[in-house]
Amino acid sequence: EDKVVQSPLSLVVHEGDTVTLNCSYEVTNFRSLLWYKQEKKAPTFLFMLTSSGIEKKSGRLSSILDKKELFSILNITATQTGDSAIYLCAGGYNAGNMLTFGGGTRLMVKP
Amino acid sequence: DAGVIQSPRHEVTEMGQEVTLRCKPISGHNSLFWYRQTMMRGLELLIYFNNNVPIDDSGMPEDRFSAKMPNASFSTLKIQPSEPRDSAVYFCASSFLGGPTDTQYFGPGTRLTVL
Repeated sequence: EDKVVQSPLSLVVHEGDTVTLNCSYEVTNFRSLLWYKQEKKAPTFLFMLTSSGIEKKSGRLSSILDKKELFSILNITATQTGDSAIYLCAGGYNAGNMLTFGGGTRLMVKP
Repeated sequence: DAGVIQSPRHEVTEMGQEVTLRCKPISGHNSLFWYRQTMMRGLELLIYFNNNVPIDDSGMPEDRFSAKMPNASFSTLKIQPSEPRDSAVYFCASSFLGGPTDTQYFGPGTRLTVL
């Protein structure tokens, strides 16, 4: 059975800290690894990773994929209170754009 | 583009009643997904349509749940009869199968409470 596991389950940091969120996956016919941010509403897309070792960056956020170890990390530097959210990773598989989601990491950034 | 549109945003009903959730995907997208999210189980895929045809409904919890997509711009998820354990946030998401990305775009969700 496909599974995506995220760690830690929750994290509390102070503004300015750097955080690393982890995602391991076992997904049959794996195609891509996606990261989403979910605040009080719908998940919003952050990154899609398909190749190992190539870092994707967007401002203070960056992510990388290791397809050998079946692992991805999401880094957030100089955290801000607006980064407080649940971060979801998902494994994309088959040719149908289907995703298996992890349970999420709840990040709280304190002022 | 207005994004994925869902209605209603909130629904409170009593056990045994029929509930219908509605979704309008992003124009031009040909794949549509219904998810359920709870604290206990996280985000679960219920059913997936491609070109209006149900492809995978293995996530539908039981026969009380049914989904339809009569055309490319509209889908419904129906629960009949509803039970308290169906209380959750139901998300609809759409994507374009065949494009360069697997990205799914989520609607705002319907928060369902069954009393």
